[in-house]
This record gives sequence, C-alpha cells and structure tokens, in this order.
Amino acid sequence: AQSVTQLDSQVPVFEEAPVELRCNYSSSVSVYLFWYVQYPNQGLQLLLKYLSGSTLVKGINGFEAEFNKSQTSFHLRKPSVHISDTAEYFCAVRGTSYGKLTFGQGTILTVHP
Amino acid sequence: DAMVIQNPRYQVTQFGKPVTLSCSQTLNHNVMYWYQQKSSQAPKLLFHYYDKDFNNEADTPDNFQSRRPNTSFCFLDIRSPGLGDAAMYLCATSSHHTSNQPQHFGDGTRLSIL
Repeated sequence: AQSVTQLDSQVPVFEEAPVELRCNYSSSVSVYLFWYVQYPNQGLQLLLKYLSGSTLVKGINGFEAEFNKSQTSFHLRKPSVHISDTAEYFCAVRGTSYGKLTFGQGTILTVHP
Repeated sequence: DAMVIQNPRYQVTQFGKPVTLSCSQTLNHNVMYWYQQKSSQAPKLLFHYYDKDFNNEADTPDNFQSRRPNTSFCFLDIRSPGLGDAAMYLCATSSHHTSNQPQHFGDGTRLSIL
C-alpha cells in the first residue's frame, strides 16, 4: 500500500515569484509518481510524471519536479509563477507492478498580482 | 481532439431519486475509472473497468453501480442518493492497466442533492 502527504494545504505567492509544492510518499514497493493540476470546476490534468531515468522531470506550463528516492519526495517547482497557475495541485503515486493511483490531499496554489 | 467527456456538467437530483452520470471517451482506452471528489478532498476511486471486467473498491457503497456497454461509454448509477453523495464525480481513462500509463480525466459532473 502507498500513501502520499502533501505538506502544505495552501500556498500563497506573488506573481513572478518561485514556488515549491512539497510531496512525500510512503511505499513498500517501487512507485511511479505523478503531479496533476485541477482548475476550478474542471477535471485533473497531468502536469508531469516520473517513471524512471533522470530524477528531474519537466512538465507542461514550465513546471518541473525532482524525485528523491532517499527522502521519498517528489516536490514540484516553478521558477516564476503566473496568475493563471492559481489552481489545486495533486501529487499521486502508483506501485510499478499494479495498484490504484493514490492521491495526496492537494495543495491550493494562489498567485497574487 | 481525443478526450474524455462527461455529461451533464451539473446535475441536481432529489434525495432518494435515482440518477445516472455518463462518460464517453474517444481515446479508445481499455480502462475507465470513476472517482468521487468531495469539497477540498482528493479524488476517491469508486470502481474501474478493464475492458468489460468490473472492479469495485472494497469501501464503495452498494448504492453506487456502474455499467460499461461498450469501449467508449461508461455510466455511474446512484440508486438512492443521500445528502452525503453530493460531490464532483470524475471519470478517467488509461490505455492499459500498467502502472506507468497516466490517467486522462474528464471535467467532471458536479452532483447536488435537494
């Protein structure tokens, strides 16, 4: 079984500032890792995923995330945020053999002008 | 564009009155999922289909049923909705059961119970 902890429920930042959304996971098996974004009244959109290989993965909209196996973390970063990045962000994990997608509780990113 | 489409986007029903939510996909994916997402919470998996094989989560109430008549369509039936069933319902698809395939989500149906 896996679990995901998103350490911040809300993150307010000013436009053009950098941001980091933190995600830690727990699992007894190897996992794949995902970040999804959810805009108000919409479904979830895949931002990026880590499957294997380079621990730094780049996604859409200028986001990137780094997989750290020793710290069991997969933090999401963006060097300069826009107003349009205001949304809820979900970290998710899934065992590499099989298993359901387990989501964190979400982090609401609010970008202020 | 290939996509996952949910209808309607907003659904209002009365307490105890059966309701059906629909999902269609043009991705030709094998797997279709239904999630329930309550306000300020993570999506919770209700069940999924791998082709025609139905897989129910252990904690999904019996009040929730699903049908998948063909590859493209999947329905969520709530037999007797209670106030606690008010939520956003998300449909998702993936191309295979293998874990490295991301899930593609529809925009959801927000269900209100009067």
